[in-house]
Amino acid sequence: DAGITQSPRHKVTETGTPVTLRCHQTENHRYMYWYRQDPGHGLRLIHYSYGVKDTDKGEVSDGYSVSRSKTEDFLLTLESATSSQTSVYFCAIRSNPGAVHEQYFGPGTRLTVT
Amino acid sequence: AQTVTQSQPEMSVQEAETVTLSCTYDTSESDYYLFWYKQPPSRQMILVIRQEAYKQQNATENRFSVNFQKAAKSFSLKISDSQLGDAAMYFCAYRSANQGGSEKLVFGKGTKLTVNP
Repeated sequence: DAGITQSPRHKVTETGTPVTLRCHQTENHRYMYWYRQDPGHGLRLIHYSYGVKDTDKGEVSDGYSVSRSKTEDFLLTLESATSSQTSVYFCAIRSNPGAVHEQYFGPGTRLTVT
Repeated sequence: AQTVTQSQPEMSVQEAETVTLSCTYDTSESDYYLFWYKQPPSRQMILVIRQEAYKQQNATENRFSVNFQKAAKSFSLKISDSQLGDAAMYFCAYRSANQGGSEKLVFGKGTKLTVNP
């Protein structure tokens, strides 16, 4: 258990509405990630953060923004949700000790955009 | 860009038997890490095993072991004495060892493993 929680766990929203997903960690990890999981695609990186206010884009960042104002929280925002953003969203942290730096995942958020 | 391929969308195994899940990857890098993650119906992503590319010895974690063939760019997962609780989606993932950058994981599309009693 890497102390990662995500909220909400499920959300249904309408096209065009803004949505914010929250990832919270309790172990002071520097690196945090947002992935999306879709059938036939595995997990793909949306955005990541390497410190407070330090973020960068992943491979599928269009339509998403992120913010990290404190170490423990990493927010993912869909400014205007579209049906193509219906997915399961996972937050992950990179473990601090050791050289391999495994990533550990939160429980996921299922988002449905109608 | 690196890619990870899992050529078996679905596999099945009898309880107590052994099964091997395949994974191949494409990279021009020499230093990297490989991982297998398990995703049961609960949807939680669970790290099963990891392999450092610079290590020749195959990683082992209890009933789980890998066959890492660096020249062939192959990283298969062997599950011995399969249990009903092993039923899940299994994802192979690659990460560059280059310092700096995102250190993102590149995932395969997954293999669904069914364990028959």
